Amino acid sequence: AQKVTQAQTEISVVEKEDVTLDCVYETRDTTYYLFWYKQPPSGELVFLIRRNSFDEQNEISGRYSWNFQKSTSSFNFTITASQVVDSAVYFCALSENSGNTPLVFGKGTRLSVIA
Amino acid sequence: DTAVSQTPKYLVTQMGNDKSIKCEQNLGHDTMYWYKQDSKKFLKIMFSYNNKELIINETVPNRFSPKSPDKAHLNLHINSLELGDSAVYFCASSQGKQAISGNTIYFGEGSWLTVV
Repeated sequence: AQKVTQAQTEISVVEKEDVTLDCVYETRDTTYYLFWYKQPPSGELVFLIRRNSFDEQNEISGRYSWNFQKSTSSFNFTITASQVVDSAVYFCALSENSGNTPLVFGKGTRLSVIA
Repeated sequence: DTAVSQTPKYLVTQMGNDKSIKCEQNLGHDTMYWYKQDSKKFLKIMFSYNNKELIINETVPNRFSPKSPDKAHLNLHINSLELGDSAVYFCASSQGKQAISGNTIYFGEGSWLTVV
């Protein structure tokens, strides 16, 4: 069965520091998809990135970057030069490519960026 | 225009009441979902509909009844509300069956339900 583990429950950093949010997943499928979502204090869920299991290239989008490593079943998320607006709960999620298995979320990491 | 919109955003109601949350998406997607987020922020799927057909029903009490009048709408009706139903309910949508294609799920802003 699919599973996503975000071991870091809460992280606090000072503004401008870099921070990495860890995500480890479990799946038996060879084809699967990984996602990150952001939930700011206002409560909505904002899609950040989607990655399929055949694409291990790292991705960078502005101050955000993602490191996907199949060898360690990890899909970590790094924020460079963090800002107060980055304060949110971040969720990693996994979707297997078999049957009707729904998207499964990790328990989230609450990031607090302090000015 | 909001892509996935749900109403109401906040709902406070007494135990035993029946309430509905409405959801509409204007993305042209054919799959819609309801997710529940509990007080510990854990997100779990409740239902999924594809072209008005129920495809996922995850161990949800039958007091919860989704209704999809068309592929752009998926409403959630809850009968005989209990204290434990207090949560945030998210409506979402994706193009195609998400599990098959891994398509991105886009979420609404959430409906905060408090049962007193």
